[in-house]
Amino acid sequence: DAGVIQSPRHEVTEMGQEVTLRCKPISGHNSLFWYRQTMMRGLELLIYFNNNVPIDDSGMPEDRFSAKMPNASFSTLKIQPSEPRDSAVYFCASSFGPSQPQHFGDGTRLSIL
Amino acid sequence: DQQVKQNSPSLSVQEGRISILNCDYTNSMFDYFLWYKKYPAEGPTFLISISSIKDKNEDGRFTVFLNKSAKHLSLHIVPSQPGDSAVYFCAASADQAGTALIFGKGTTLSVSS
Repeated sequence: DAGVIQSPRHEVTEMGQEVTLRCKPISGHNSLFWYRQTMMRGLELLIYFNNNVPIDDSGMPEDRFSAKMPNASFSTLKIQPSEPRDSAVYFCASSFGPSQPQHFGDGTRLSIL
Repeated sequence: DQQVKQNSPSLSVQEGRISILNCDYTNSMFDYFLWYKKYPAEGPTFLISISSIKDKNEDGRFTVFLNKSAKHLSLHIVPSQPGDSAVYFCAASADQAGTALIFGKGTTLSVSS
């Protein structure tokens, strides 16, 4: 039974480069979430989709961040251009509804040099 | 402004004893509460939940208590085991309104043998 799949697991890149994080939710789940975890701020919700439609993107820090969900089985989170302060672990999660228990992927550890 | 607060960043307990993790919330619209456990290099995993119509929910060694008047919930682990050492996140949502989960910053539990 496949869980939420994120790729890559680790990404190291230089400041100014474009970064794309990918997520495959659990089949049948209709809500998808992107989180960022840092020591200072804990687990922050960046954006979530319901039935592939962005519902709340108020957590997206800046215009440099964008997210898409072209279909029910795939989502991307893009940072362009990346900055060192974007370094964090980014989690994707999915669920049967926005307030239902979420299943998390193992995260992408992003380091911007 | 944090709507879900876990005021203790860490907790140390001896094996076999009770672990009590606390969580406070400010939004009176929250009606669904969850606890997640997170091991290093993995995503958070759902542990136990409680609806606001109940004041207690039990699952094996884990029990969650909800005090709505105090806007406080706690997770009890009895007996604690070394494998319980992890970061525990409290989360809340306004289920009736279909809002996304809001997470606390987490409490790191260390259980020593």
